[in-house]
Amino acid sequence: TQLLEQSPQFLSIQEGENLTVYCNSSSVFSSLQWYRQEPGEGPVLLVTVVTGGEVKKLKRLTFQFGDARKDSSLHITAAQPGDTGLYLCAGEIRGSRLTFGEGTQLTVNP
Amino acid sequence: DSGVTQTPKHLITATGQRVTLRCSPRSGDLSVYWYQQSLDQGLQFLIQYYNGEERAKGNILERFSAQQFPDLHSELNLSSLELGDSALYFCASSVGQGDGTGELFFGEGSRLTVL
Repeated sequence: TQLLEQSPQFLSIQEGENLTVYCNSSSVFSSLQWYRQEPGEGPVLLVTVVTGGEVKKLKRLTFQFGDARKDSSLHITAAQPGDTGLYLCAGEIRGSRLTFGEGTQLTVNP
Repeated sequence: DSGVTQTPKHLITATGQRVTLRCSPRSGDLSVYWYQQSLDQGLQFLIQYYNGEERAKGNILERFSAQQFPDLHSELNLSSLELGDSALYFCASSVGQGDGTGELFFGEGSRLTVL
């Protein structure tokens, strides 16, 4: 059983569309991170959220941490082919290491 | 370029064999983490070292071992290899001990194929 459930597992959309991916858990996290991984490379950190209800924006990407710190979402506006990749959420429960979800594989078609 | 270097990038070997994966962390980072990424299990934490000492252990099999050397590079040893050990093995490093919200910097991974 995964501590962090990500949905959807796969998402294929057209350039210009909006999308949201989700990261859910039954555990409370002290912090949550989102990474993006491109083929042949390791994951790269996009953002860290630590406060319940926190919203962070990174250009066309909007990240939200749930009020109860058990879930998070990533919204991409006007997706571009360069957004294609595996999006991983990773949560830290105090005293433990980062736990990664299985990821959402996003494909943005031109 | 994350600054984390992993070798080899690709490795093909047979069941029952032993391999060693090597990782050089970013300059100044004291923590090294090893992760296994397979299609059916995502990114699984194996083990963490901080300044030469084992700091945390995850889902690491007894056939696997790791160490961090005085120059802070790390090696992951995989022995008695099985078909199911085929995966991408990532090394990551961070400045701190890993009990905060610090960023992990990942290498490009070592792809192990066991035939």
